[in-house]
Amino acid sequence: GESVGLHLPTLSVQEGDNSIINCAYSNSASDYFIWYKQESGKGPQFIIDIRSNMDKRQGQRVTVLLNKTVKHLSLQIAATQPGDSAVYFCAEIYSGGYQKVTFGIGTKLQVIP
Amino acid sequence: KAGVTQTPRYLIKTRGQQVTLSCSPISGHRSVSWYQQTPGQGLQFLFEYFSETQRNKGNFPGRFSGRQFSNSRSEMNVSTLELGDSALYLCASSPSHRGNYGYTFGSGTRLTVV
Repeated sequence: GESVGLHLPTLSVQEGDNSIINCAYSNSASDYFIWYKQESGKGPQFIIDIRSNMDKRQGQRVTVLLNKTVKHLSLQIAATQPGDSAVYFCAEIYSGGYQKVTFGIGTKLQVIP
Repeated sequence: KAGVTQTPRYLIKTRGQQVTLSCSPISGHRSVSWYQQTPGQGLQFLFEYFSETQRNKGNFPGRFSGRQFSNSRSEMNVSTLELGDSALYLCASSPSHRGNYGYTFGSGTRLTVV
């Protein structure tokens, strides 16, 4: 029979434009968040993290915004490049007791040259 | 500093066989977690080990098992392979299973069951 797969949301962006990838998390007690980038055939790679006592953190061409009120996380990539094409997913971590991590399903970013 | 190393990178097995995958964490990391990643289900947590003890387990059948050695290296085993076990198996290491350290992933082992 036909298999039903997980259809990742896809974001198509023109090279040079800014990209915004969103993530809704589930646990209001989560206190640490990470964005990962996964290229085809590779393992997820750490991009940037943010702790719950912050609402914004900047890296090189990337910015993460955290809105705890609505349990929302976003990743902004400035001047998107073809090498940014990948699946991006967020991880929420609750560190009370054993570290418990939950991963989002991911968003596929396609950069159009 | 070497990253997380998973071996082998690729594996083809026949239904009914068993397979063992290996993961060497970052030096000094004592927590190792295993995930199954498929297009249909995304990243699914298998289990986490710390100090040779399984600390947490996901919702997978008993055919999936693992262990951790005193040097923090970990292996996972899948017995009686099924076609649906075809997936990318990822290992991630962390300094500890407590606190918020996050995870560093390996490149994965691509398992194909035919």
